[in-house]
Amino acid sequence: SQTIHQWPATLVQPVGSPLSLECTVEGTSNPNLYWYRQAAGRGLQLLFYSVGIGQISSEVPQNLSASRPQDRQFILSSKKLLLSDSGFYLCAWSSGVKQPQHFGDGTRLSIL
Amino acid sequence: EDKVVQSPLSLVVHEGDTVTLNCSYEVTNFRSLLWYKQEKKAPTFLFMLTSSGIEKKSGRLSSILDKKELFSILNITATQTGDSAVYLCAAPTDSWGKLQFGAGTQVVVTP
Repeated sequence: SQTIHQWPATLVQPVGSPLSLECTVEGTSNPNLYWYRQAAGRGLQLLFYSVGIGQISSEVPQNLSASRPQDRQFILSSKKLLLSDSGFYLCAWSSGVKQPQHFGDGTRLSIL
Repeated sequence: EDKVVQSPLSLVVHEGDTVTLNCSYEVTNFRSLLWYKQEKKAPTFLFMLTSSGIEKKSGRLSSILDKKELFSILNITATQTGDSAVYLCAAPTDSWGKLQFGAGTQVVVTP
């Protein structure tokens, strides 16, 4: 069966520090991969999605970036974090564009 | 602009009650509507609806889509405290599967 892993589960970072969140999927090949952010009390906002290695589409202009160095690995990065980057970051995968997305457990990011 | 709106934003019920959650949508090229349950961490997938009038059921949860009136409902019967969660609905807005989420409905089931 397919599983998705995200780490770390929680992270506290100072303003201006770099960020790297990792997401890996097991048990499937060539998944569609997605990064979402969920602000407190709000719905999920799509940040990036990828349909293949090296293919990244950005939905919201910001100081975050994403990369997909391997088929089942999706990384969310920032060179300098802002206070507004705080939130709950979720990675998701699907086996195709018409299939439901399945989410990892998320990373709760706090910026001080 | 595509949008998904859920109502109510929150509700409190007693164990054993029935709950009905609403999700209305405006999506240019509608393909499907999805329901998720989110407790403390990952949203877990409940249903994907593509056809009008066909109820999907899983245990005490059921959902139906009305493509003419552009809404879906999620029903939970005989609620239990374990049903306490935020329920999210979402619709893909393009051919790449990008999901537009509603803000969610927080359900609290009291013993």
